[in-house]
Order: sequence, then C-alpha cells, then structure tokens
Amino acid sequence: DTGVSQNPRHKITKRGQNVTFRCDPISEHNRLYWYRQTLGQGPEFLTYFQNEAQLEKSRLLSDRFSAERPKGSFSTLEIQRTEQGDSAMYLCASSSQGGNEQFFGPGTRLTVL
Amino acid sequence: AQSVSQHNHHVILSEAASLELGCNYSYGGTVNLFWYVQYPGQHLQLLLKYFSGDPLVKGIKGFEAEFIKSKFSFNLRKPSVQWSDTAEYFCAVTDSWGKFQFGAGTQVVVTP
Repeated sequence: DTGVSQNPRHKITKRGQNVTFRCDPISEHNRLYWYRQTLGQGPEFLTYFQNEAQLEKSRLLSDRFSAERPKGSFSTLEIQRTEQGDSAMYLCASSSQGGNEQFFGPGTRLTVL
Repeated sequence: AQSVSQHNHHVILSEAASLELGCNYSYGGTVNLFWYVQYPGQHLQLLLKYFSGDPLVKGIKGFEAEFIKSKFSFNLRKPSVQWSDTAEYFCAVTDSWGKFQFGAGTQVVVTP
C-alpha cells in the first residue's frame, strides 16, 4: 500500500503523559499536513510542512504540541503533558503541492484518561 | 479567514432517492473546492474537486457538484443513492497554500 500511513492507530494514555504519533506520507509528496478531528466536527488544521520546513501552525497547537519532519519524509506529532481535551482523531495528509488534493491517512485515535 | 458551512448535519433517505448536500464557503480570494467522503471505518477519500473551468464537476460513484461563484456554494448531488452511500461527507476549501478548511460534515444514512 503506497498511501499515507499513520502509527499507532490507537493510543490510550493517562493524563499528563507524553505521546508521539508518526505519519509516513506518499513518497513523492513534499507537503504534509496534520489535522485534528473530534466527534461531530470536520478535521481542523493543526500544522503543515513543505519538505522539512514547518510553514504554519494553528492557534489550536498549544505549546504542548510539537511537530517535526526532519528529513522531509515522515513526520512526528508529539503532545506533552496530555489533557483529556486532547482526546481526538489525529489525521495526517500529504499532497504534491499546495491547493491540490490531499491524501489522508487512517488517523491515530487518542484517548486520554 | 476561510469558513465552510454545511447545511445539514444528518440526512436520512431511502435507496433510489436523490441527494443534495449544501456547502457554502466564505473566502475572498481564489479557492479550490473539494468534497471528501468517509465511509464507516475508513479514512477520508476524495469524491470530487473543482479548481477552474466547467462549474459542474463529476466525481466518483455518480456524484457531481456545482460551483456557483455568486452564491459561494459548492453543493453535492447524486440522482439516485444506494445503501453503500451511507457515509459522512465533508466539504472543504483551500487556497494556493493548501491549508484545508473543512465543514462540520453531513452524516448520510441510506435505508434499504
């Protein structure tokens, strides 16, 4: 399967713990996006990369959140000191350039107890 | 700032009925428009997209959408739905930077 992959698919953690998610985009795509989706809502933009450069971060991304894409390939999203309000589906998408169709991964469902 | 409004949160209809889902957006510049679908247990998939040209675009599985610039709308239609069209449908807008703004989604349930 050459689509976007995300790991893990599910993560259950206790409040206060740190978690890290990984996204592997489609290999030839230079743009990578992170979104968060909660029940009854559409995906909300968090941040995006063009190659290894992080170009924009949403206000939703507090200081506890950090994302990296060190070699312009896979990306990680880390949440430090998780809170119950962080419980959501975290989606990754990639595209060949801005404005084009984005291909989404299956998401990582985070549950913070 | 961009915003996307989907008119219905839930739609229930019978097989063979026609479907129309409303989508209005707010953005001052040139936009690209998309409809994505999420079938139960699956990830978001593209149904169709509009960049320019003919405002009536056709997508997969018999879906089509019409871009009406004067109304800032991009409504999704299907003349005759099937049970397999049960899914959540999302309208999305993006500018050239590629940051998508999604609507809240419409849950469509098609009954046999």
